[in-house]
Amino acid sequence: SQTIHQWPATLVQPVGSPLSLECTVEGTSNPNLYWYRQAAGRGLQLLFYSVGIGQISSEVPQNLSASRPQDRQFILSSKKLLLSDSGFYLCAWSRTGAEQYFGPGTRLTVT
Amino acid sequence: GDSVTQMEGPVTLSEEAFLTINCTYTATGYPSLFWYVQYPGEGLQLLLKATKADDKGSNKGFEATYRKETTSFHLEKGSVQVSDSAVYFCALNSGGYQKVTFGTGTKLQVIP
Repeated sequence: SQTIHQWPATLVQPVGSPLSLECTVEGTSNPNLYWYRQAAGRGLQLLFYSVGIGQISSEVPQNLSASRPQDRQFILSSKKLLLSDSGFYLCAWSRTGAEQYFGPGTRLTVT
Repeated sequence: GDSVTQMEGPVTLSEEAFLTINCTYTATGYPSLFWYVQYPGEGLQLLLKATKADDKGSNKGFEATYRKETTSFHLEKGSVQVSDSAVYFCALNSGGYQKVTFGTGTKLQVIP
């Protein structure tokens, strides 16, 4: 069966510091991978998605970036965090883009 | 473009009450429709799905019917439990696209 991991689970970072969140998927190959952000009490905002190694589509221009160095690894990064980057970050995978399966999330607080 | 509209929450119900959460959509072609559930502090879980008109998705006592004529996919449950307290997201995927369009979510609180 397939499993998706995210770490860290929680993170508190000062404004202006860098960020690296990691997501890995087990039990499948060549998945579509997605990063979402969920602000407190809000819906989901799609940030990036990838249909293959090195292929990244950005949905919202901002100070975040994503990379896919391996087939089942998806990394979300920032060089300098802003207060507005606080939120709950969710990684998801899908075979077709239709049904998506989510990780447990990372709670990021920028202080 | 594609869009999903859900009823505003929060919805507060007593245990064993009947639940309806409304969802309507706008999409090109014939999308697949989904309901996801998010329990506090967790990621989303796929609750049920329907891939064509008149299909009924069901899981854990929840049901939703794909109504093409009214472009709706309302979520229902006959008797809610406290453990059903969560945020529910309606979503769609237009065939051929790699993305899912989510509604804004409806928070359900069930009180004993």
